[in-house]
Amino acid sequence: AQSVTQLGSHVSVSEGALVLLRCNYSSSVPPYLFWYVQYPNQGLQLLLKYTSAATLVKGINGFEAEFKKSETSFHLTKPSAHMSDAAEYFCAVRTDNAGNMLTFGGGTRLMVKP
Amino acid sequence: ETGVTQSPTHLIKTRGQQVTLRCSSQSGHNTVSWYQQALGQGPQFIFQYYREEENGRGNFPPRFSGLQFPNYSSELNVNALELDDSALYLCASSFDRNTEAFFGQGTRLTVV
Repeated sequence: AQSVTQLGSHVSVSEGALVLLRCNYSSSVPPYLFWYVQYPNQGLQLLLKYTSAATLVKGINGFEAEFKKSETSFHLTKPSAHMSDAAEYFCAVRTDNAGNMLTFGGGTRLMVKP
Repeated sequence: ETGVTQSPTHLIKTRGQQVTLRCSSQSGHNTVSWYQQALGQGPQFIFQYYREEENGRGNFPPRFSGLQFPNYSSELNVNALELDDSALYLCASSFDRNTEAFFGQGTRLTVV
């Protein structure tokens, strides 16, 4: 069975600072990995996904994530935080034979200080 | 092209009642998945429907059931509501079983 751990339920950065949100996964088969963002009272929006092609994945809004098999990690980064990045971020894993059954982490709330 | 739409957006039910939540999938999508997101937690997979058949189920009791219609819209039914069923229920549709899922805005269910 697969699982996802997001270290840090809350992360606070200053506007313009580096954003680093951590995600570690466990999976018995090569995983597909995703990062989603959720704004208050809204659904989930896909930021980026890893599907066994390039290990460095670029997504929307300037975010990127690097798949590191040896560390079973898929951390999300953004070089310079913007106030509009304040939201809840979820890492998710899917095994390629499990349809669209995503296993989500507990989420990290990103706060951006002016 | 319309996105995934869910109705209603909010509702309040009493413990023991039954509820039906609805989801219209994105145009051209034949697969719908349902997730439960309790307050402060990540979403949990309930089940998936592909071409009107249940295609996978998470760790939820049988009182959680669903349907998918020929137009690929879907319903989530929950019987004998419990207080712990209070959550945001998210529907996601995809072009096929193994392609990217697009989420709706969710239905906020409160059980009192």
